[in-house]
Amino acid sequence: NAGVTQTPKFQVLKTGQSMTLQCAQDMNHEYMSWYRQDPGMGLRLIHYSVGAGITDQGEVPNGYNVSRSTTEDFPLRLLSAAPSQTSVYFCASSSSLGYTFGSGTRLTVV
Amino acid sequence: GESVGLHLPTLSVQEGDNSIINCAYSNSASDYFIWYKQESGKGPQFIIDIRSNMDKRQGQRVTVLLNKTVKHLSLQIAATQPGDSAVYFCAVHLTQKLVFGQGTRLTINP
Repeated sequence: NAGVTQTPKFQVLKTGQSMTLQCAQDMNHEYMSWYRQDPGMGLRLIHYSVGAGITDQGEVPNGYNVSRSTTEDFPLRLLSAAPSQTSVYFCASSSSLGYTFGSGTRLTVV
Repeated sequence: GESVGLHLPTLSVQEGDNSIINCAYSNSASDYFIWYKQESGKGPQFIIDIRSNMDKRQGQRVTVLLNKTVKHLSLQIAATQPGDSAVYFCAVHLTQKLVFGQGTRLTINP
């Protein structure tokens, strides 16, 4: 099925550990983005990319790195996880027809 | 930049009544507006969108109204059903970024 695939769905990290959240889309969209959602809040933009090799910061980029080597993939890296990064992370891809969101990764940092 | 505010964090309606959820945005240059529905444990689900060159758009049981003069957006749900229970977010697009409001939790009373 076409769409946005996020892995893993759940993850528990210890403070200071690193990990990569994966995001892949098969719709050939140029634009991809990462959001985090904290309890009772809307989604906040972390990083986005308008095409392979191009990334930019969103509203809350600190503590996160991204790269875009292919159109299909847009991984989000946490270099040294902190409890403040406990959240649900959503990846989205978009075209002129609108945005498609993945089902999310629930991350807990202890 | 853009900021998105919401008029009510919660809304409770009787089954069969119409629901109206409101949203305000700050930047008059915003060009695309989307309403999402989010059920517990899931990603945002597209409901309806509208571009800045329109004032009203209708879908199946849903209508979005855009008032650019006062920078206000509303979602109307006709004949609300139990399956409409969820958190509803408005999102506003400006310069390659999508900014979300904090959401309104819609509860349906039998």
